[in-house]
Amino acid sequence: NAGVTQTPKFQVLKTGQSMTLQCAQDMNHNSMYWYRQDPGMGLRLIYYSASEGTTDKGEVPNGYNVSRLNKREFSLRLESAAPSQTSVYFCASSERRTGGLADTQYFGPGTRLTVL
Amino acid sequence: AQKITQTQPGMFVQEKEAVTLDCTYDTSDQSYGLFWYKQPSSGEMIFLIYQGSYDEQNATEGRYSLNFQKARKSANLVISASQLGDSAMYFCAMSPFSGGYQKVTFGIGTKLQVIP
Repeated sequence: NAGVTQTPKFQVLKTGQSMTLQCAQDMNHNSMYWYRQDPGMGLRLIYYSASEGTTDKGEVPNGYNVSRLNKREFSLRLESAAPSQTSVYFCASSERRTGGLADTQYFGPGTRLTVL
Repeated sequence: AQKITQTQPGMFVQEKEAVTLDCTYDTSDQSYGLFWYKQPSSGEMIFLIYQGSYDEQNATEGRYSLNFQKARKSANLVISASQLGDSAMYFCAMSPFSGGYQKVTFGIGTKLQVIP
């Protein structure tokens, strides 16, 4: 049981290049998320997917697209990278807690992206 | 709108001592969950503890306990018997209870350093 996995762990891009960050979970969770983490700003939600086949914008979606390929996989694409997208990117998935009241999110190890 | 405030950017604690990390929150929701995550220098986000707004007792998970004071809207994390491995960033988070997607709001974190 690997939990949430992300690839790659590190990436350096030049301005204007594109790339896709991959995320997969083996916990059979319905909901998946992409966050970015910047110093002094905590985690900010980019996109989320409440279930297979659905995606919605979060707090900072501009410059990103996502694909929920199946229940396990949720990818994040940067079409034309900008220096402002230099950040650490986390994928997460969540399950409804016993008692059915709140979801607990479980995170992948993160991808450290630098855009030059 | 939800807001999480962590006012301690950095904390020091002597090994084997207890430490309290502060978290206050603001929400108009009546039903919500509160979470704490740990982020060691290796970068991953580790779920530590959860408290529901209707839970009458404070949550505990091993050496972690959550001091929940609903009227004050505070959800402080208490770590007992600190260990060197507790040195990390700690994030407080909350989400409303809902049937569908639950937006999680994170604080900006507190950096804890345990001194031998």
